[in-house]
Amino acid sequence: KQEVTQIPAALSVPEGENLVLNCSFTDSAIYNLQWFRQDPGKGLTSLLLIQSSQREQTSGRLNASLDKSSGRSTLYIAASQPGDSATYLCAVKSNYQLIWGAGTKLIIKP
Amino acid sequence: GAGVSQTPSNKVTEKGKYVELRCDPISGHTALYWYRQSLGQGPEFLIYFQGTGAADDSGLPNDRFFAVRPEGSVSTLKIQRTERGDSAVYLCASSLGRENEQYFGPGTRLTVT
Repeated sequence: KQEVTQIPAALSVPEGENLVLNCSFTDSAIYNLQWFRQDPGKGLTSLLLIQSSQREQTSGRLNASLDKSSGRSTLYIAASQPGDSATYLCAVKSNYQLIWGAGTKLIIKP
Repeated sequence: GAGVSQTPSNKVTEKGKYVELRCDPISGHTALYWYRQSLGQGPEFLIYFQGTGAADDSGLPNDRFFAVRPEGSVSTLKIQRTERGDSAVYLCASSLGRENEQYFGPGTRLTVT
């Protein structure tokens, strides 16, 4: 059974720092991995999707990597801003359903 | 174009009542998914439709939960005899096909008092 774990559960850093969020999964047989952002009381915003054949994806200040063999993905956020404060969720697609981590709650201090 | 929409955005109901939650997927998306997100947790899969049929309902917690998609577009999640433990945000997603990216609606926050 696929299990997804995100570490840390919460992270607080000063504005301007670069940071890394971690996601690990137990079964390497995945179609893709996706990183989402969730603001309090709001829906999910897709940030990056990495296909199983890809190693990384980039969008602006965000870079996500995927190492299927080790069951790991990282989300790198450069030059963090207070507006980046949110919960970040990773989800792996096994077969057709998404299996999710519990998220990392990120606070960027001005 | 329009994204996935869900109604209502919030629903408060008393324990034991029946509720229906609606999802309007992106036009042309044949695959539709329901997930449930409890406070402080990631979403959990409930059910997947391909067209009109439920291809996998293994995530439905018990027989009080049922979902339909009669015309292959709009879907309704139905919960009978609601319990306080059903309180959560119910998320709907759709995709072109089972292997394509899923797009999420804003969710329905259900509170059972």
